[in-house]
Amino acid sequence: GESVGLHLPTLSVQEGDNSIINCAYSNSASDYFIWYKQESGKGPQFIIDIRSNMDKRQGQRVTVLLNKTVKHLSLQIAATQPGDSAVYFCAELYGGSQGNLIFGKGTKLSVKP
Amino acid sequence: KAGVTQTPRYLIKTRGQQVTLSCSPISGHRSVSWYQQTPGQGLQFLFEYFSETQRNKGNFPGRFSGRQFSNSRSEMNVSTLELGDSALYLCASSFLDMNSPLHFGNGTRLTVT
Repeated sequence: GESVGLHLPTLSVQEGDNSIINCAYSNSASDYFIWYKQESGKGPQFIIDIRSNMDKRQGQRVTVLLNKTVKHLSLQIAATQPGDSAVYFCAELYGGSQGNLIFGKGTKLSVKP
Repeated sequence: KAGVTQTPRYLIKTRGQQVTLSCSPISGHRSVSWYQQTPGQGLQFLFEYFSETQRNKGNFPGRFSGRQFSNSRSEMNVSTLELGDSALYLCASSFLDMNSPLHFGNGTRLTVT
């Protein structure tokens, strides 16, 4: 898993398995959370977001879970594919101001065929 | 719809020089933000522009500056380059504010020698 501000951890999964990437955010006042995927040589790509009034949100093959009690965010990827190999970042925002958008250092996901 | 476009993709500069990076946001997006990405510090917020005005600013020295034009295109400038300025500089745009997610370009890789 990852925590905002720590070194880059790595997660290795088998193709077809489910992946869970974790993030511990820092500010209990944060009210908007975003997951990004960054492939080598590219900029971060928006995956899914969730607001603090929700516990769970689902997208295509991805689910984000938010546990405000322990300030924990997770990204679940179903049926992981080789194309999912990338660095995944969580970001937290409080107060609606761009200057308060804090990115984690990222988790590197490697998918084994 | 075209994504965020950044030019150039790569730059090599010498210490003491200055550099200007360019960003064209997604059509209709009025907010443009700049981020610096390094292996050690991760993604760090530089500044955000909205309707040609700097709306937010990160914790970077005054050598880093930017501007936004009436067509929402943006430039950032770094003067008196230092070795530590070597990084991937990412531009991101959003429709209005932080209630809509950021969409990133693929960045400009700046190397200072």
